[in-house]
Amino acid sequence: QVYLVESGGGVVQSGGSLRVTCAASGFSITAYSFHWVRQAPGKGLEWLAVLSYDGKSKFYAETVEGRFTISRHNSQNTIFLQMDSLSPDDTATYFCARGMPLLVISAIDFWGQGALVIVSS
Amino acid sequence: EILMTQSPATLALSPGERATLSCRASRYVSTKLAWYQQKPGQAPRLFIYDASTRATGIPARFSGSGSGTEFTLTISSLQSEDFAFYYCQQYHDWPPNIPFGGGTKVEIK
Repeated sequence: QVYLVESGGGVVQSGGSLRVTCAASGFSITAYSFHWVRQAPGKGLEWLAVLSYDGKSKFYAETVEGRFTISRHNSQNTIFLQMDSLSPDDTATYFCARGMPLLVISAIDFWGQGALVIVSS
Repeated sequence: EILMTQSPATLALSPGERATLSCRASRYVSTKLAWYQQKPGQAPRLFIYDASTRATGIPARFSGSGSGTEFTLTISSLQSEDFAFYYCQQYHDWPPNIPFGGGTKVEIK
């Protein structure tokens, strides 16, 4: 059974930092690209970042470029999103999501349940 | 950046009716287009990829069509479990910037 479980969400003050972790189980992450997608309360989906399956390429949405960093630890089967210089506009549920095998970008075929991040002013 | 526009924002239909959802890309995306379903409090779920391929376990009443800039998700006969939000996403753009459309809410009339 495939699982993606996010952790590390919580409340942080404006200007602060937070790292969200995505633990994968039921499969090895080494063949997959991973995305982070967020959803502000009552709003739609916003794509944030992708890290390629080989770890060589990272791409970000303009809204988070320079502030957020996506990374992976293959031996721990874990993906991370480091978020710096947070503002109240970053308040959202953050989803870790898996792309299709051996493709840098593709449809997202599996999603975690999300981690809620609240940035207080 | 390729912008994705979905219409209508809300679709009010009765069970058994046919639903037609539209997604338009601001530039050419070939058939690199996915549809996702999301219910309140849940993660999105992949329903259609490559514009017309159903994901694993998705019922045949769901079908996707289109290419280039115009795409459609059709639900042939709405079941109670189909009332939800639907989002499209293109994954053609390079370097990757792969936004979602704003979503269509399919609600019970």
